[in-house]
Amino acid sequence: DIQMTQSPSSLSASVGDRVTITCRASQSIRNYLNWYQQKPGKAPKFLIYAASSLQSGVPSRFSGSGSGTDFTLTISSLQPEDFATYYCQQSYSDPSFGGGTKVEIK
Amino acid sequence: QITLKESGPTLVAPTQTLTLTCTFSGFSLSISGVGVGWIRQPPGKALEWLALIYWDDDKRYSPSLKSRLTITKDTSKNQVVLTMTNMDPVDTATYYCAHRTSLTGTTVNWFDPWGQGTLVTVSS
Repeated sequence: DIQMTQSPSSLSASVGDRVTITCRASQSIRNYLNWYQQKPGKAPKFLIYAASSLQSGVPSRFSGSGSGTDFTLTISSLQPEDFATYYCQQSYSDPSFGGGTKVEIK
Repeated sequence: QITLKESGPTLVAPTQTLTLTCTFSGFSLSISGVGVGWIRQPPGKALEWLALIYWDDDKRYSPSLKSRLTITKDTSKNQVVLTMTNMDPVDTATYYCAHRTSLTGTTVNWFDPWGQGTLVTVSS
């Protein structure tokens, strides 16, 4: 099975900051990488598929990049509604999730 | 509009078997490429994929939990059922079901949307 490792596990940032989250796969997953956002007490919300394609309705301040084993999620200008936990998930083989990155208010 | 909702017991005794039902609408589990997955999340912890069933009845399980899990579907009822045997307090978690779909003509796939989740507590 493929292990997904996210870093950092948490970060503090201010509104307007540029935020980058990293996700690493234990083997190449080509571009089969998805990102989700989860707010407390809520189900995860799908954001990005195929490493860099935004789901319809997702603000353009979100972007994803990477291929193979290393991927990033970037929020270009953090907004108040973006404070949440973000998870990567590989869909190259049977699914697996990263450990999550909590984005907190500085 | 696709919706999914989990149902089942909120409290399970240790060693007992958990049975959860995912009732969905807005899609058919008989259409090529479609699946329903189960994912859980212990309080304050990360998401963990458990099982996935596809339109063609292919079933996939988390390697670490495979011996304890069974996933089935009832296409006529629009339901997917997950059973987990020999429950332990460490299995206390919110259990989600989610629609698995793919980009048309490709193998790119993801979970969207998810059900609201159901909290299952394992305790005597």
